[in-house]
Amino acid sequence: AQSVSQHNHHVILSEAASLELGCNYSYGGTVNLFWYVQYPGQHLQLLLKYFSGDPLVKGIKGFEAEFIKSKFSFNLRKPSVQWSDTAEYFCAVNAPSGGSYIPTFGRGTSLIVHP
Amino acid sequence: EPEVTQTPSHQVTQMGQEVILRCVPISNHLYFYWYRQILGQKVEFLVSFYNNEISEKSEIFDDQFSVERPDGSNFTLKIRSTKLEDSAMYFCASSDRGLGDGAFFGQGTRLTVV
Repeated sequence: AQSVSQHNHHVILSEAASLELGCNYSYGGTVNLFWYVQYPGQHLQLLLKYFSGDPLVKGIKGFEAEFIKSKFSFNLRKPSVQWSDTAEYFCAVNAPSGGSYIPTFGRGTSLIVHP
Repeated sequence: EPEVTQTPSHQVTQMGQEVILRCVPISNHLYFYWYRQILGQKVEFLVSFYNNEISEKSEIFDDQFSVERPDGSNFTLKIRSTKLEDSAMYFCASSDRGLGDGAFFGQGTRLTVV
């Protein structure tokens, strides 16, 4: 079965610091990759997604992620974080299983940005 | 912006009682999902629903769980006889072309079983 690992469970940064959150998955075939964000008290929102093509994907709010197939990774980055980026971040992977996709989420990374 | 709506936002129930969690997906979406997140743990897939039937379900989704789209707009998750370990945040999601295209998630319903 596929699995998704997010290595950083808690990250604390100061404003303007750079961010990189790791995500690795175990499935060896074609995958669709996602990052979701959950702001305090709010619902899960899609930040960005990768299906094919350019492995560097740009999302909302200045976030980007790079798909590195050889490393089975899809790390999330932001060059300069803001206090408002404080949230829980989830990596998710869709891989085919039979005729449909089985969506799997990572455990999540809690990001706290100090002003 | 369209959104997925879930009600109630918080439900407290006694062990052994039945609960129904309600979701109103985005109107033109065809694929519907339920996930849950036990406090401190990862988001777990429960079930997907397409064309009025379950298309995928996880091991968590046992006979105690059922889903329904009773009226073409609501999408419900029923837990027949709740257990303490059912306490979690339950998220509904919908998408227009399957989860391969990313999904819109609702705010979640926090279920507390006492």
